[in-house]
Amino acid sequence: ETGVTQTPRHLVMGMTNKKSLKCEQHLGHNAMYWYKQSAKKPLELMFVYNFKEQTENNSVPSRFSPECPNSSHLFLHLHTLQPEDSALYLCASSQIWTENSPLHFGNGTRLTVT
Amino acid sequence: AQSVTQPDIHITVSEGASLELRCNYSYGATPYLFWYVQSPGQGLQLLLKYFSGDTLVQGIKGFEAEFKRSQSSFNLRKPSVHWSDAAEYFCAVGASNDYKLSFGAGTTVTVRA
Repeated sequence: ETGVTQTPRHLVMGMTNKKSLKCEQHLGHNAMYWYKQSAKKPLELMFVYNFKEQTENNSVPSRFSPECPNSSHLFLHLHTLQPEDSALYLCASSQIWTENSPLHFGNGTRLTVT
Repeated sequence: AQSVTQPDIHITVSEGASLELRCNYSYGATPYLFWYVQSPGQGLQLLLKYFSGDTLVQGIKGFEAEFKRSQSSFNLRKPSVHWSDAAEYFCAVGASNDYKLSFGAGTTVTVRA
């Protein structure tokens, strides 16, 4: 496989459930990102991992918990979510501090909280 | 902090006609600029990027964009659109010393036959 792969593609969960989103990159990049995409709003950066270390947490509620066990894998653990958390969650990777290395995105997980 | 404005929420264009999408950015130094395209149910795909040098950059799928520092703009153009160009387009700005990008809210392009 090449690029950035996200699973599952779709997820429906209740407010009391616990679920996890998975992202895997096959590009040899050293940084991974979680973005939230809501309709007609700019992409919101949630978390950044640089060499497996979390370097960014944009005031994201604690009901979202990221995990980066190595430079190729990124998870987003979800628990007690709210309906307003329904959105498309995009994972991306890049080679940080390298010019000409833009973000490469996965196809996203469409999350619906009921 | 940098920011991006895409003034047009939705554009409808006829197949074969030209297309121009506007992007204005706010950033104090020389920006890194990007255009991404998102088809329904897909992630964002990079169309083109500007880091330095020639202000007219060529991208994939026949797109080009021009960096105009005096206008703080990075507009995207295509001379002749195809039905497959119907998608949402995002402009983004970053800095050379910061790996974070700021995205615009996007422009939805509809192509009519």
